[in-house]
Amino acid sequence: SQQGEEDPQALSIQEGENATMNCSYKTSINNLQWYRQNSGRGLVHLILIRSNEREKHSGRLRVTLDTSKKSSSLLITASRAADTASYFCATAGGHRGYALNFGKGTSLLVTP
Amino acid sequence: EAGVTQSPTHLIKTRGQQATLRCSPISGHTSVYWYQQALGLGLQFLLWYDEGEERNRGNFPPRFSGRQFPNYSSELNVNALELEDSALYLCASSRWTGGPETQYFGPGTRLLVL
Repeated sequence: SQQGEEDPQALSIQEGENATMNCSYKTSINNLQWYRQNSGRGLVHLILIRSNEREKHSGRLRVTLDTSKKSSSLLITASRAADTASYFCATAGGHRGYALNFGKGTSLLVTP
Repeated sequence: EAGVTQSPTHLIKTRGQQATLRCSPISGHTSVYWYQQALGLGLQFLLWYDEGEERNRGNFPPRFSGRQFPNYSSELNVNALELEDSALYLCASSRWTGGPETQYFGPGTRLLVL
């Protein structure tokens, strides 16, 4: 079963705009990770945030984690056409131990 | 540093056959994970190996099995293939630090069962 649920399922924006994706999960976690997938290929790791952290930055990415609400958000600033991809949140910890539990993903389309 | 590699990239089998998928982790990583990404079902955890032992498995039937070799590479075997086994199979590796860490994924093997 899916642990994380991303929202929205699909997002379409123009280059230069910011994109925000949200993720909710159900059980306690050790960390939460965000991944990107282009056209059904392998997953690219974007960022990991641990349960004792509230915010993390990496380049144009900003991730927040609210463990009281069991939710996380991924913000991509100044989007580019190359950011077009599916984005997944994945939680680690809980009953599956170190295995990742993925949400169904947000499909992001960035148009020039 | 070389990333996670998987072979073959594509595999076509018929129902009832067996499929073997291979994965080589990043150097220094001892944990290998297998995931299935089937259309409409999302990414599902299959198996986790560390130091040659199976540490955990997802909600898949026993015909999904695997092993990890002394060099930490891994094999996923799917017996008695069914049409619904058609999917992208992703392998990931991570370091062992005593807790869950970043998993780095390979490009996947796309399995088509006819």
